[in-house]
Amino acid sequence: SAVISQKPSRDICQRGTSLTIQCQVDSQVTMMFWYRQQPGQSLTLIATANQGSEATYESGFVIDKFPISRPNLTFSTLTVSNMSPEDSSIYLCSVEAPNRDREAFFGQGTRLTVV
Amino acid sequence: AQKVTQAQTEISVVEKEDVTLDCVYETRDTTYYLFWYKQPPSGELVFLIRRNSFDEQNEISGRYSWNFQKSTSSFNFTITASQVVDSAVYFCALSEIWGNTPLVFGKGTRLSVIA
Repeated sequence: SAVISQKPSRDICQRGTSLTIQCQVDSQVTMMFWYRQQPGQSLTLIATANQGSEATYESGFVIDKFPISRPNLTFSTLTVSNMSPEDSSIYLCSVEAPNRDREAFFGQGTRLTVV
Repeated sequence: AQKVTQAQTEISVVEKEDVTLDCVYETRDTTYYLFWYKQPPSGELVFLIRRNSFDEQNEISGRYSWNFQKSTSSFNFTITASQVVDSAVYFCALSEIWGNTPLVFGKGTRLSVIA
């Protein structure tokens, strides 16, 4: 299985500031996925991050608001920029370990509160 | 397009009762995977099961069982003799077998088991 370390686990931030979330995987993976889970809601895909190329964003999410880096095959960051209270959510990174029949592994999540 | 529907938003049961969580899916693919994940209050997503669309055999794992009915596009999850530790949000998810597209999640069912 893949072990994913995501940090910070939680944060309380002032509106207008930015927060960078880190995701470290214990094995090399081609794609990493970033999800947002608003309070009481399901997971919504923000973007897919490939190493060495620009992330692919889903409808409703833009690079200026959620810039993503993917410098190597085991690490990615998601930045939530110019935050507002509406950005208060759990953010999760996810990977599919090789040869695991599409089983997705998730980080512990980052619980973000914007005040 | 793929879609997963979990019609039950919240369920409450008394400890030791059996409970079934419903999942209905839509896909144009003839082969696909179905998943169930558990999200306890701590927030992480825990993988429970993956089912290949080729295999309609029901599966039992301890107090958990899954009923896959391809004819009705359903993949229901039953917990027998529920326990307080089963209290969580449960997500059903769908993915294509080949490729790197991410999972499509249902909205989740919040299960509360009362002592």
